[in-house]
Amino acid sequence: EVQLVESGGGLAQPGGSLRLSCAASGFTFSAFEMNWVRQAPGKGLEWVSDIDSGGSRIAYADSVKGRFTTSRENAKNSLSLQMNSLRAEDTAIYYCARERTGAGNGLDYWGQGTLVTVSS
Amino acid sequence: DIVMTQSPLSLPVTPGEPASISCRSSQSLLHSSGNTYLEWYLQKPGQSPQLLIYLASSRASGVPDRFSGSGSGTDFTLKISRVEAEDVGVYYCMQTLQAPRTFGQGTKVEIK
Repeated sequence: EVQLVESGGGLAQPGGSLRLSCAASGFTFSAFEMNWVRQAPGKGLEWVSDIDSGGSRIAYADSVKGRFTTSRENAKNSLSLQMNSLRAEDTAIYYCARERTGAGNGLDYWGQGTLVTVSS
Repeated sequence: DIVMTQSPLSLPVTPGEPASISCRSSQSLLHSSGNTYLEWYLQKPGQSPQLLIYLASSRASGVPDRFSGSGSGTDFTLKISRVEAEDVGVYYCMQTLQAPRTFGQGTKVEIK
């Protein structure tokens, strides 16, 4: 059974840092691109970042570029999101999601999300 | 960035009746490969999003056949042939043609 479990969320101060993790199981993690998507309280979905299967191609939303860093450790079936210079507007539930093999085939498995709150 | 615009933003529906959601992109989502990079997701209350449609019209595994996606270029539609109570939630379109990927604002479907 495919499982994605996010962790690392919590309260951070403006300007502070947090590191989110996503533990994957039930599939060959190293074969799949992965994504981060967030959702501010009561708001819609916002794509944050994606990373290819080998970790060499990474893209970011403009809103987080230069502040967030996505990485992965295939040997540990783990995806990470390092969030620096946090702002109040980064407050959201952060989901990791698996991308089906092949371009444009969709995000077929999602974690339950981890809540990040940025506040003083 | 490609802007995705959904309509309506709220859609009251009657069980057993059809429903339709529109999604428009600010530029064509047609790739040189011939594929169109448009996906639809449903987020049911209290749950994580789930994939419904990819490549504009392909139904994801396990998605009931009452859901269908259509459209090309910049205009896309998600149709539910006969709405069921379990279909309530917020529907999102997302383009994956180019980074950054972008979602529509979401369409909230609720039972009348």
